[in-house]
Amino acid sequence: GESVGLHLPTLSVQEGDNSIINCAYSNSASDYFIWYKQESGKGPQFIIDIRSNMDKRQGQRVTVLLNKTVKHLSLQIAATQPGDSAVYFCAEKRNTGFQKLVFGTGTRLLVSP
Amino acid sequence: GAVVSQHPSRVICKSGTSVKIECRSLDFQATTMFWYRQFPKQSLMLMATSNEGSKATYEQGVEKDKFLINHASLTLSTLTVTSAHPEDSSFYICSARAYNDRALHNEQFFGPGTRLTVL
Repeated sequence: GESVGLHLPTLSVQEGDNSIINCAYSNSASDYFIWYKQESGKGPQFIIDIRSNMDKRQGQRVTVLLNKTVKHLSLQIAATQPGDSAVYFCAEKRNTGFQKLVFGTGTRLLVSP
Repeated sequence: GAVVSQHPSRVICKSGTSVKIECRSLDFQATTMFWYRQFPKQSLMLMATSNEGSKATYEQGVEKDKFLINHASLTLSTLTVTSAHPEDSSFYICSARAYNDRALHNEQFFGPGTRLTVL
């Protein structure tokens, strides 16, 4: 069935490195994608989003890239900090009905000082 | 702005009892609220979508008689887990969305979650 999934379940980096978290999706009809950060015991926190008519979008220290040809989404975090340690989810907004979000499986980012 | 709260944050109950979880949008009106369940080290799975003043729409495999959802006002939705069992132990997260609010861009704003433990 349709799904949004991630390539890497755990990513370990050193403080100051750049991090790249990947996501694959299968529903080509989705027109909106979001990255969330979830810290332990908390709800998801919005990081950045991108519409399907864009290839790239930048925020503060974060960049999202969208490759519709291969249905791939990535989140780049520059100068990763220990406070970035969390689980990151990509989510896809299905443009049907209530426009619900479908979440990927998640990647845990571990940042060592 | 766009803050969503949940109450309680943690609850422990005995098997067979019912538990009610509240989800509130504090500074906006939420015409639609979503309820998710998240098991340890897993992703968020949508359980149901509730619209103010109407019946909730449940995802496939979610028992509507076990997970009662009420969205009685534009700022409050409740999830009641009836006759809870240990397998219902999970992290329950709600989100809220405001339609026709340009400032909020129809985004979903998530609550902090409720940790339910059924003994």
